[in-house]
Amino acid sequence: GAVVSQHPSRVICKSGTSVKIECRSLDFQATTMFWYRQFPKQSLMLMATSNEGSKATYEQGVEKDKFLINHASLTLSTLTVTSAHPEDSSFYICSARDADRGTNEAFFGQGTRLTVV
Amino acid sequence: RKEVEQDPGPFNVPEGATVAFNCTYSNSASQSFFWYRQDCRKEPKLLMSVYSSGNEDGRFTAQLNRASQYISLLIRDSKLSDSATYLCAVNIFKNDKLIFGTGTRLQVFP
Repeated sequence: GAVVSQHPSRVICKSGTSVKIECRSLDFQATTMFWYRQFPKQSLMLMATSNEGSKATYEQGVEKDKFLINHASLTLSTLTVTSAHPEDSSFYICSARDADRGTNEAFFGQGTRLTVV
Repeated sequence: RKEVEQDPGPFNVPEGATVAFNCTYSNSASQSFFWYRQDCRKEPKLLMSVYSSGNEDGRFTAQLNRASQYISLLIRDSKLSDSATYLCAVNIFKNDKLIFGTGTRLQVFP
């Protein structure tokens, strides 16, 4: 299947600092990428849809000024958690579709486990 | 009502058993349906897409019931390695966002 690479896989940061997470499509171009967050024993909750060359579309209740998304190229989207707090500790996962495949399958990055101390 | 709902389980079954999961969705306009498998602390991986006519892949069978707005996953001859969380996912438009259920935890024991 198509490959989506996400890093870092794990990060620990101090409260008040910012953390950037990268999501890359390695062997296809992704005009749209999706960012999810998953708390322990809960499902993946969509945070935002990242569109190449334009502003991201955020889901209700997700602060766009806190979770900055940039999708500057067809293969890279970044999520920056600004002024992180302990309640932001979670598993963040990106996904993308390969439009050329003709299927609707979404491929996921490996996820980033963020711990804010 | 949640957009996509699943019984969180856990389902504890012995090796060799057959187990079935259901997932209901609220939007009748939904077009695409999937089952993902997620292992602990890992990203979800596609298990199978769900087609209108139903589809089978080895020990796994997926069904779609549009009238009742649910999809199902049947696992036959369960293996220890099937232990995981099974997430259903739905989207309304092609290439649109995927909405996930809460996942159903399966534990297969010897």
